[in-house]
Amino acid sequence: AQSVTQPDIHITVSEGASLELRCNYSYGATPYLFWYVQSPGQGLQLLLKYFSGDTLVQGIKGFEAEFKRSQSSFNLRKPSVHWSDAAEYFCAVGLSGNTGKLIFGQGTTLQVKP
Amino acid sequence: EPEVTQTPSHQVTQMGQEVILRCVPISNHLYFYWYRQILGQKVEFLVSFYNNEISEKSEIFDDQFSVERPDGSNFTLKIRSTKLEDSAMYFCASSGKDIPLYGYTFGSGTRLTVV
Repeated sequence: AQSVTQPDIHITVSEGASLELRCNYSYGATPYLFWYVQSPGQGLQLLLKYFSGDTLVQGIKGFEAEFKRSQSSFNLRKPSVHWSDAAEYFCAVGLSGNTGKLIFGQGTTLQVKP
Repeated sequence: EPEVTQTPSHQVTQMGQEVILRCVPISNHLYFYWYRQILGQKVEFLVSFYNNEISEKSEIFDDQFSVERPDGSNFTLKIRSTKLEDSAMYFCASSGKDIPLYGYTFGSGTRLTVV
């Protein structure tokens, strides 16, 4: 069955430090991959997505992610974290086919220390 | 930029009552979805809807749930007899084009509280 794993439930980084959030997926076909961010009580904002082509994807707010097929991973990175990046981050896999269903990981809560 | 609009943003209902959550998808989109997120948990797929019928539903989407596109612009989720465990944030999403994963857009959600 398809699944998405975000191994880190909670991460704390200092402002200005680099960030990497891990995401692993299990899916037999070529996946469509997404990262969303959710601030407390808010909706889901798309950070970036990978469908095909260059495996390093640039997103909004200075985020990037790299698709590694051999590792079934799609890790999110940011070189220098800002206090406003504190939020919950969700990785999701989109299943090919007609329905367009997304499967989400459990999420990683990012806390930023001043 | 086009948006998916959900109303109300917050709804409180008594257990056993029927509730209808409303969504206005992006106007030229063809695929419609409902997801839910129980507080502190991950976002879960409920149902997808295309060409005026359900194309896929999860095991969560039992007989208490139904969806409808009543007038070509709204997309609704009805819960017939709400339970305490239905308390969650409900997200509507829509997508267009030939491949449903393209242009996927979420609404800002409706927080449903069942008391």
